[in-house]
This record gives sequence, structure tokens and C-alpha cells, in this order.
Amino acid sequence: QKEVEQDPGPLSVPEGAIVSLNCTYSNSAFQYFMWYRQYSRKGPELLMYTYSSGNKEDGRFTAQVDKSSKYISLFIRDSQPSDSATYLCAMGNFNKFYFGSGTKLNVKP
Amino acid sequence: KAGVTQTPRYLIKTRGQQVTLSCSPISGHRSVSWYQQTPGQGLQFLFEYFSETQRNKGNFPGRFSGRQFSNSRSEMNVSTLELGDSALYLCASSPREGGNTEAFFGQGTRLTVV
Repeated sequence: QKEVEQDPGPLSVPEGAIVSLNCTYSNSAFQYFMWYRQYSRKGPELLMYTYSSGNKEDGRFTAQVDKSSKYISLFIRDSQPSDSATYLCAMGNFNKFYFGSGTKLNVKP
Repeated sequence: KAGVTQTPRYLIKTRGQQVTLSCSPISGHRSVSWYQQTPGQGLQFLFEYFSETQRNKGNFPGRFSGRQFSNSRSEMNVSTLELGDSALYLCASSPREGGNTEAFFGQGTRLTVV
């Protein structure tokens, strides 16, 4: 069983839609949870990170962590074509992190 | 501030050869981590170097090795290349050891093994 599971998509939504991206994990010891965005031919770019459970908001992006369900989510409000990219979740502890395989998002104008 | 620089950007090698990839971290960053990204396996951690010492290692065979220099620049070497080593190799730098929450990635080196 993989440490982190992420639906690869692709996910296609119209501009302005609310997007929900999700990951599940198996290791209850994970404390750090992150979301990265990766555009084609680029390296991943850190969007948000949270420590332990709870919500974190940054502009149009909200990250949620539910440790009891071992489930994390990233919500994108008012999605834009420029949000079209692959979104990777990552989680772990101090110096060992595991990445999801990425969800490809396409926001249509 | 310059970002993380990886060279070369693209590389084609033959099975059995060896390859060396280079990563220059952001100025002041002392931690460099290497990752392999493939469509099937996603992003997998190879190793982390901090202050010229390997601090953490992923589950890759010994054909994958690395080193870090006193200026924090890092190289990754893969010997006896196999077709399955074709991937995007990414390095990430951060100011602190294990600082994955502050990691910045380079654009990667696309390695194709034929």
C-alpha cells in the first residue's frame, strides 16, 4: 500500500468553479501536510503547508487536514485558467516526506 | 534572488552508461534534496544533503549516489543506467535540514535512457 494516495484525474472544470483536490494517507504519525502546484515543464512550487489538523486559508486556496480520517483537501475558489496545473500533496515528518502522484487540473475559460 | 538551478535540463543516455546531474541551491540554503519523478510512481525521495553530509536516504539502489560540496552545490550520480531510470530528476533546496516546508524546487533534469 502506498503511503499517500491521490486521484490522478484529470479534473476538468469551468472557470469560476470551486475545485476540491484530495489525498488520503496511511501513516497516522504524519504531522506536516503540504500542497504543491506543478506547471508543465517546471518544478513543483509550494502552495501551502499545515501542521497537524485544521484549516488554513490563503487567498483563493484553503487547505484542510482531517487526521482522524487521514484525509487532506485543497479547495480552490473562483478557479482561473491559470490554475491549470498538476497539484501534488505531500506529507510526513521532519525529514521524511511522501508525495502523492498528482492530480491534473484543467480550468476551461 | 536566483532560484534553484539544475543542469543540464535534458539528457539522453544509453543503457549501462553513467550520468551526473548538478544542482545549485538558492544562495544561503544549505540543504539539498533530490527526487525522481515518473508518471507511474510520482515524486520519490532519493536523498538529502546538509552541510556536505547525507542526512536521509530513500529506497533506491546503490547505483544512485550523491554528494554536496562546501558551497552547498550538489551532484547526483546514477551508474549503470537502466531504461527504468528515465525520469525527471528534481532537486529542492531549503535553508534548514529537513526543511521541506520551506523547500524550493528547480526545474529538473529530464533524463531519457535508451
